[in-house]
Amino acid sequence: DAGVIQSPRHEVTEMGQEVTLRCKPISGHDYLFWYRQTMMRGLELLIYFNNNVPIDDSGMPEDRFSAKMPNASFSTLKIQPSEPRDSAVYFCASSFGGGGYEQYFGPGTRLTVT
Amino acid sequence: GENVEQHPSTLSVQEGDSAVIKCTYSDSASNYFPWYKQELGKRPQLIIDIRSNVGEKKDQRIAVTLNKTAKHFSLHITETQPEDSAVYFCAASDGGKSTFGDGTTLTVKP
Repeated sequence: DAGVIQSPRHEVTEMGQEVTLRCKPISGHDYLFWYRQTMMRGLELLIYFNNNVPIDDSGMPEDRFSAKMPNASFSTLKIQPSEPRDSAVYFCASSFGGGGYEQYFGPGTRLTVT
Repeated sequence: GENVEQHPSTLSVQEGDSAVIKCTYSDSASNYFPWYKQELGKRPQLIIDIRSNVGEKKDQRIAVTLNKTAKHFSLHITETQPEDSAVYFCAASDGGKSTFGDGTTLTVKP
């Protein structure tokens, strides 16, 4: 398996623009997690899905953030409108069995909002 | 919700020495405690994990201990090598989501 795939790897956008991050989990994994990593706040869980259903979105910072998982092999994290404080590395991770098992992280998307 | 505290935030050791990183958690429902290593510019990767029914687990030079009563767990790295230099994260999970500590930057000096 190619592992968790994320795109784009780098994104530079201007404040106010819409940003869409994409993730393809490992085939057969039933959990998908979206994390944000910054120096100030560390590794934060934004939302996670089980069998394509959002289970806990309490980490989503505000209404500007939304996430979807239309099928078992694809998920998106959208920020609209983007702000400079959204600049971070966004990781997608997947696992078989949930948080009680190893999570496999993607390479991350480095987002810069100017 | 769960709160995980990790100490120290930075740790510098001489090659060959041991390194110990400690974490505490707050939710007694947590039953899975993984440790991830993140090299500069890379993704976090699992290096060892432990479940609540086990007190200690070892894998070559790394070991993890868990004290459920005190709600703390520790990572031990023996005979450190320069390639052990990275950020290490502990986490606690109740089987659903995982809560991560803030990370420890380990530097191993040759």
